Amino acid sequence: AQSVSQHNHHVILSEAASLELGCNYSYGGTVNLFWYVQYPGQHLQLLLKYFSGDPLVKGIKGFEAEFIKSKFSFNLRKPSVQWSDTAEYFCAVNPPGAGSYQLTFGKGTKLSVIP
Amino acid sequence: DSGVTQTPKHLITATGQRVTLRCSPRSGDLSVYWYQQSLDQGLQFLIQYYNGEERAKGNILERFSAQQFPDLHSELNLSSLELGDSALYFCASSPPSYNEQFFGPGTRLTVL
Repeated sequence: AQSVSQHNHHVILSEAASLELGCNYSYGGTVNLFWYVQYPGQHLQLLLKYFSGDPLVKGIKGFEAEFIKSKFSFNLRKPSVQWSDTAEYFCAVNPPGAGSYQLTFGKGTKLSVIP
Repeated sequence: DSGVTQTPKHLITATGQRVTLRCSPRSGDLSVYWYQQSLDQGLQFLIQYYNGEERAKGNILERFSAQQFPDLHSELNLSSLELGDSALYFCASSPPSYNEQFFGPGTRLTVL
């Protein structure tokens, strides 16, 4: 079945460590890609999105993601995490031919940053 | 604050009952999406409305229905509730350009 896969369920890092969260999707064709973050007790917020153009996308709070079409991947990165980055991160895809901008989400990755 | 509001925040009910969840989109947004977030299924798209009309359907059970009213607020109706319906239900809205969805704070439904 077509899906979005996030490789890590829970990642624990110390402050200032670098972060990379994996995301792979199994849809063919042109897709729109997103990363959302959910801080504890809060709603989902958009970190960044990719529709077309430069495959390296910069988002808010120092996050970036790279779209690699040949690998069907859209990994999220941050060079130096802070305690305030503790949250759950969701990769999402707007599948091609969906007829709307509905999102298919990965299962999410919980990030815990230790001070 | 995304500008999307959802009520109630929490809902506790019994199996077999019916509940209504309400969502008000951001000003100017015509599309409303409903998602269900549960521990085992993750975040799943249920249904989308655009300017009062159903636009897309996802993994929505027949016991669930939704509508969008002329003032663009939307309601998700869940009936004959089962224990497995316990979840967080999110509403999102998007502007006519469609390029981003803004999520509400969610309604946590507990079915006992």
